[in-house]
Amino acid sequence: DSGVTQTPKHLITATGQRVTLRCSPRSGDLSVYWYQQSLDQGLQFLIHYYNGEERAKGNILERFSAQQFPDLHSELNLSSLELGDSALYFCASSVLQGEQGEAFFGQGTRLTVV
Amino acid sequence: GESVGLHLPTLSVQEGDNSIINCAYSNSASDYFIWYKQESGKGPQFIIDIRSNMDKRQGQRVTVLLNKTVKHLSLQIAATQPGDSAVYFCAENNAGGTSYGKLTFGQGTILTVHP
Repeated sequence: DSGVTQTPKHLITATGQRVTLRCSPRSGDLSVYWYQQSLDQGLQFLIHYYNGEERAKGNILERFSAQQFPDLHSELNLSSLELGDSALYFCASSVLQGEQGEAFFGQGTRLTVV
Repeated sequence: GESVGLHLPTLSVQEGDNSIINCAYSNSASDYFIWYKQESGKGPQFIIDIRSNMDKRQGQRVTVLLNKTVKHLSLQIAATQPGDSAVYFCAENNAGGTSYGKLTFGQGTILTVHP
């Protein structure tokens, strides 16, 4: 168990809908990262938040947004869902923004868009 | 190190053999590299990391080698065990210290260990 908690584990929704994925980082970790894992694109970095502020952005679609709350949990919002958004979404956390070290990944949320 | 998806390289070994998994990374500016292991239904799990000022680092049963000249990374697993069966990813970071968890992952290699 990495200590990173993601909910829900599975999510099935229809095209055009909006969903929210939740991540609780390890206790004490200030950085939260979101990744998407799909069969055709592999693991792709989406966005990084540090202590409530956005720090880095990857190839995140405009239909996707994220935020990190004062209690450090983070949410990834996916809207106007398309079939191609079906993927595993992972959250990872690490201690400090400027600390070189491992990022701990959660178990992921499997999103299926039908 | 670019993720190209779908057709992952595979490596099959016998229990007790040594395994070598290779990775070509894409960005010469990358200065931090990590190997992750992902088992079915789980998130990536950190194995070992290496900074660009090193060419070798050893952990427990694992060694990472970095060749910056040819932008190549390898993971050596000694005395491979069935529990090592998983998909292995190399990942690179070039965020210059601002975002160490912002990683570019390779496509992955499927390692299967036969008892």
